[in-house]
Amino acid sequence: SQTIHQWPATLVQPVGSPLSLECTVEGTSNPNLYWYRQAAGRGLQLLFYSVGIGQISSEVPQNLSASRPQDRQFILSSKKLLLSDSGFYLCAWSVPGGGELFFGEGSRLTVL
Amino acid sequence: SQQGEEDPQALSIQEGENATMNCSYKTSINNLQWYRQNSGRGLVHLILIRSNEREKHSGRLRVTLDTSKKSSSLLITASRAADTASYFCATLTSGTYKYIFGTGTRLKVLA
Repeated sequence: SQTIHQWPATLVQPVGSPLSLECTVEGTSNPNLYWYRQAAGRGLQLLFYSVGIGQISSEVPQNLSASRPQDRQFILSSKKLLLSDSGFYLCAWSVPGGGELFFGEGSRLTVL
Repeated sequence: SQQGEEDPQALSIQEGENATMNCSYKTSINNLQWYRQNSGRGLVHLILIRSNEREKHSGRLRVTLDTSKKSSSLLITASRAADTASYFCATLTSGTYKYIFGTGTRLKVLA
C-alpha cells in the first residue's frame, strides 16, 4: 500500500534562517507531488507541484523553492525565512492521471 | 485568486441532523473532490465527482455538481459528533494537474 511521510512535524525557526521540509512517498511510481500551505483557520494555498523528476511548477512567487531530486521525494526550501512564512505545510501526492490527493500529516512552521 | 469559496464558513448542528455545505469555483474542471480535516491534521479524501456527473453518493455523503453554475454541495446525513471537522472542496483544473481548494466549512456536531 502507498504511504506518505512528511517531516519534521513541528519546527520553530528565527527570521532569516534557512528551511528544509521533506516529503517522501512509498508504494507508487511517478506520482504527482504537491506542496500546500495553510494559514490558521484558512484554506489551502497551492505553492508548488511536480509531475516528474526535476519538473517544478511554482504557483506563488516568493522566497520559497521546491525540488524533486528523486521520483518519490519532494523538498520545500527557503534560504531566508520571513515571519509571513509561518503556517501549516502539507505535502500530497496523486496518481499521474489525476485522482484523489493523499496528504501527509503536515509540518507546522513558526517563524519568530 | 483562484481559490474557491465555501459557505457557510461555520456550521453548528445537533447530532442526527443533516449538514449541507456549498462550494463555488472559478475555472473549468475535470473533477471536484471533498476532503475532511480534523484539527491540526492532514486532509482525508471523502468523495470525487467527475465533471460529467451530477450526483454521487457514498455512505452518508451525497454530493451534487452543477457545472453551469460552477457550484457543488456536500450533504452529510444523520450527523454524528465524530463528523466535527473542517470540510474542503477541491477542483482539478482542466488541462492541468492543479488542485485548487476552497476556503472550507468548519462543522461542529453537538452531542
